[in-house]
Amino acid sequence: DSGVTQTPKHLITATGQRVTLRCSPRSGDLSVYWYQQSLDQGLQFLIQYYNGEERAKGNILERFSAQQFPDLHSELNLSSLELGDSALYFCASSPQGNGEKLFFGSGTQLSVL
Amino acid sequence: GEDVEQSLFLSVREGDSSVINCTYTDSSSTYLYWYKQEPGAGLQLLTYIFSNMDMKQDQRLTVLLNKKDKHLSLRIADTQTGDSAIYFCAQATGSSASKIIFGSGTRLSIRP
Repeated sequence: DSGVTQTPKHLITATGQRVTLRCSPRSGDLSVYWYQQSLDQGLQFLIQYYNGEERAKGNILERFSAQQFPDLHSELNLSSLELGDSALYFCASSPQGNGEKLFFGSGTQLSVL
Repeated sequence: GEDVEQSLFLSVREGDSSVINCTYTDSSSTYLYWYKQEPGAGLQLLTYIFSNMDMKQDQRLTVLLNKKDKHLSLRIADTQTGDSAIYFCAQATGSSASKIIFGSGTRLSIRP
């Protein structure tokens, strides 16, 4: 158990809908990362937060947004969903977000039908 | 740019050594990593190397770094069936090494 909790584990929804994925980092970790894993794209870095502030941005679509709350949990919002958004979404945390070891959650499997 | 490339599949015989290769593009990377993903699970850090090192050994694992060629390799000695997994190479890049960019992963399968 990495200490990172992601909910829900599975999510099935329809095209055009909006969903929210939730992540609770390891106790004491200030930084949260979001990744998308799909068969054809591999593991894509989406965005990183440190202590509530966005620190780094990757290949995150405009339809997607995220935030980190004062209690350090994070949410990834995906809107106007398309079939191609079906993927496994991982959250990871680290103490300071400056290159240390990442601790990964078990992921949320999103299926867009 | 930031890109990490690795081959998709590797098949080795049980007891042999496995060598997984990776190339990266950002020469300013301070840390380079190998993560392991088992079926249905998140990624776990296996080992990492600082960019000022050439080699790191940790029990059955040996990491080699060639900075000139931007090439990283992971050697697993005496490969066992429990080593079957996807192995991801990753580099820390950006200011404060805040972006961790992963390769597509190499699926290692073990033949009896």
